[in-house]
Amino acid sequence: SQQGEEDPQALSIQEGENATMNCSYKTSINNLQWYRQNSGRGLVHLILIRSNEREKHSGRLRVTLDTSKKSSSLLITASRAADTASYFCATSGSARQLTFGSGTQLTVLP
Amino acid sequence: DAGVIQSPRHEVTEMGQEVTLRCKPISGHDYLFWYRQTMMRGLELLIYFNNNVPIDDSGMPEDRFSAKMPNASFSTLKIQPSEPRDSAVYFCASSRLGGGAETQYFGPGTRLLVL
Repeated sequence: SQQGEEDPQALSIQEGENATMNCSYKTSINNLQWYRQNSGRGLVHLILIRSNEREKHSGRLRVTLDTSKKSSSLLITASRAADTASYFCATSGSARQLTFGSGTQLTVLP
Repeated sequence: DAGVIQSPRHEVTEMGQEVTLRCKPISGHDYLFWYRQTMMRGLELLIYFNNNVPIDDSGMPEDRFSAKMPNASFSTLKIQPSEPRDSAVYFCASSRLGGGAETQYFGPGTRLLVL
């Protein structure tokens, strides 16, 4: 079963704009990760945030985590056409496996 | 490193046939995961191994599915007999134990179509 639910399911923006995707989950976690999947390809890890962290940056990516609300957000600044992809959040609890959300399809228009 | 390698990349078969998907994890990784991705159900974990030993196979849909990892560099996912509802993209991923190493590295996937 899916632990995380992304919102929105689909997002379309113009190049240069910022894109924000949200993820909600149900149970306690050790960490939360975001992955990107280009059409017809495998998933690629973007960023990991631990349960004791509130915010993390990596290049144009900014991730926040609110464990009290069981939610996370991924912000992509100054988006590019190459950012067009599906974005998934994945949670990790005490066990080793990840539970993936349903994904947000981001389209960046040139 | 070549990354996670999966074969075949595409497989078209007829209902009732046996299907074998193969995966070579990244060298040095001691965890291997098999996932299935469909539009309806999203990305589902089927089974994962640690040091070649199956740890959790609760995601395997039914007895028609089996997975093995005979050594650290090879794993197979077998479907016998295959059914049209098994059509999906099957991903293999690997990771290694260690602080900050929970990242999973995915292969390109095998796109399976069962007619």
